[in-house]
Amino acid sequence: NAGVMQNPRHLVRRRGQEARLRCSPMKGHSHVYWYRQLPEEGLKFMVYLQKENIIDESGMPKERFSAEFPKEGPSILRIQQVVRGDSAAYFCASSGQRNTEAFFGQGTRLTVV
Amino acid sequence: AQKVTQAQTEISVVEKEDVTLDCVYETRDTTYYLFWYKQPPSGELVFLIRRNSFDEQNEISGRYSWNFQKSTSSFNFTITASQVVDSAVYFCALSVATTGANSKLTFGKGITLSVRP
Repeated sequence: NAGVMQNPRHLVRRRGQEARLRCSPMKGHSHVYWYRQLPEEGLKFMVYLQKENIIDESGMPKERFSAEFPKEGPSILRIQQVVRGDSAAYFCASSGQRNTEAFFGQGTRLTVV
Repeated sequence: AQKVTQAQTEISVVEKEDVTLDCVYETRDTTYYLFWYKQPPSGELVFLIRRNSFDEQNEISGRYSWNFQKSTSSFNFTITASQVVDSAVYFCALSVATTGANSKLTFGKGITLSVRP
């Protein structure tokens, strides 16, 4: 019974490149949340998705960041033209229903050089 | 808007000491959920507890206990007889029912606990 799987665990990108972070929710889960943990800060909500729909993107930066959760396959958090300030740990969580508890993946640590 | 304050940033104790991690929250919603998570040095987030706003009973789980007081908007976490393996960053978090998403969490900034042998 696999938990929430995030890959890669570590990702290094040069400034200006694109970063793609993947999240496979737990089996049977159709709700996904993305959080970002910047150095010396707590975790901040970014976006909440249900299969094929973005429900709440109030925490997403206005530019360069996008997220999707297609009918088939993992959820993807995409960061275009990365900058050093995007270096952070990105966590994904999934839940089976809107109002049930979510389980976190192990995170992807993005380093922009 | 919701807010979680963890005023303590770093705590250092000697093994076997008891330690309390403070959490104060702010929300205008009457239905909400409070959480504690542990983030060990390996980096993953480990769920510890969830309480809803209608349940003020204190909870004990082994060496861990939680004190929820709505009157002071606090949800404090106590580790009894601390161990080196308790060394981690501990996050308190809040979600509100009106968002329709109990896992849209507002986190505090975390408390780094170091337990020395």
